[in-house]
Amino acid sequence: SQELEQSPQSLIVQEGKNLTINCTSSKTLYGLYWYKQKYGEGLIFLMMLQKGGEEKSHEKITAKLDEKKQQSSLHITASQPSHAGIYLCGAAPPWTSGTYKYIFGTGTRLKVLA
Amino acid sequence: DAGVIQSPRHEVTEMGQEVTLRCKPISGHNSLFWYRQTMMRGLELLIYFNNNVPIDDSGMPEDRFSAKMPNASFSTLKIQPSEPRDSAVYFCASSFGQGNTGELFFGEGSRLTVL
Repeated sequence: SQELEQSPQSLIVQEGKNLTINCTSSKTLYGLYWYKQKYGEGLIFLMMLQKGGEEKSHEKITAKLDEKKQQSSLHITASQPSHAGIYLCGAAPPWTSGTYKYIFGTGTRLKVLA
Repeated sequence: DAGVIQSPRHEVTEMGQEVTLRCKPISGHNSLFWYRQTMMRGLELLIYFNNNVPIDDSGMPEDRFSAKMPNASFSTLKIQPSEPRDSAVYFCASSFGQGNTGELFFGEGSRLTVL
């Protein structure tokens, strides 16, 4: 079955620094969701990438989908304490292979120091 | 608009007791998911309903877990008897669409501690 692995597992950055989180799929990835989870709360939808090469931005967060590399990256520019939380990538049919379930990555814990 | 509503937000119980978690999905959504989140295993899908019918319950750990969706606006997840290893945050999510695609809307979770 398909799996999503994220790197790094955790990240601590100084406020104002840029950072990148990666989500790598074990099989072909045709589309992807990114979610953010604040500590102790539910997941909040950030953005959806539907095709290879697509890039989307929301405020200071940009995400790209590289279909050939079976990977998506999420980039935060000039990080702020409000960016802290857990970032998860997710994929669902028909974008996934070998599974009919909505799958999530392992998560990346981000801490931003003021 | 009201989002997905879960209750209770926190539950502390003793081993062997019955636990019931509740979820009200967003009105108009036809898919409902129960997830469990732990540090060790991350986010795990327990069960998925579509149009109130359980479609996939392969993630339900064992017979101690059961879930129901008697109507489009309510679902329960029951653990009986509870064990310390059931301690986790349980999330309910809903979406609109066929199958299990599309953006998921999550509730704020029910944090369960079994002593």
